Amino acid sequence: DGGITQSPKYLFRKEGQNVTLSCEQNLNHDAMYWYRQDPGQGLRLIYYSQIVNDFQKGDIAEGYSVSREKKESFPLTVTSAQKNPTAFYLCASTDLFSNTEAFFGQGTRLTVV
Amino acid sequence: QKEVEQNSGPLSVPEGAIASLNCTYSDRVSQSFFWYRQYSGKSPELIMSIYSNGDKEDGRFTAQLNKASQYVSLLIRDSQPSDSATYLCAVNNRGSTLGRLYFGRGTQLTVWP
Repeated sequence: DGGITQSPKYLFRKEGQNVTLSCEQNLNHDAMYWYRQDPGQGLRLIYYSQIVNDFQKGDIAEGYSVSREKKESFPLTVTSAQKNPTAFYLCASTDLFSNTEAFFGQGTRLTVV
Repeated sequence: QKEVEQNSGPLSVPEGAIASLNCTYSDRVSQSFFWYRQYSGKSPELIMSIYSNGDKEDGRFTAQLNKASQYVSLLIRDSQPSDSATYLCAVNNRGSTLGRLYFGRGTQLTVWP
């Protein structure tokens, strides 16, 4: 079945540690996105990529980094520079040219311990 | 100015009533509009998409789009307790950044039996 897979579902980070969240899609979508969601809040865009080897900062990119080496994969690294990383992280993808909706992964809940 | 704004919640309706959710957007060249439902702790799931002015019905859900007023709404008829969730309005802002989706903060709906 086609879809987006995020892993892990739960992740715990120690202070000062970098962690990487995985996102893989087999929908052949060009565009991929990372969103952050805090309790009771909407989705805030961290980074997005429309093509392999290219990505753009979203509204809250500070303290995060991404790569897009393959069309199927868009991993997000939460660096130690992100001072308040505890949140629900959602990866999504879209077909850029057909006006279709964004498909979401199941999310990763990151907690700082 | 925020790209997408939703009516503030929470919204509470009795079972069987009509729930009305509203959304306005700022960019006139927006072309695609989506309503997502998000249960607590889960990722958003698409329930309606609309691309042209007027109404679009799917079961108990009706989306309404008025591009002149930059307004999109979602009506849920015969509301059920299982409809209790947060509803996110999303707009595809192809005019400025191809493929970037803008989300509202969401409206929390509670349907009480």
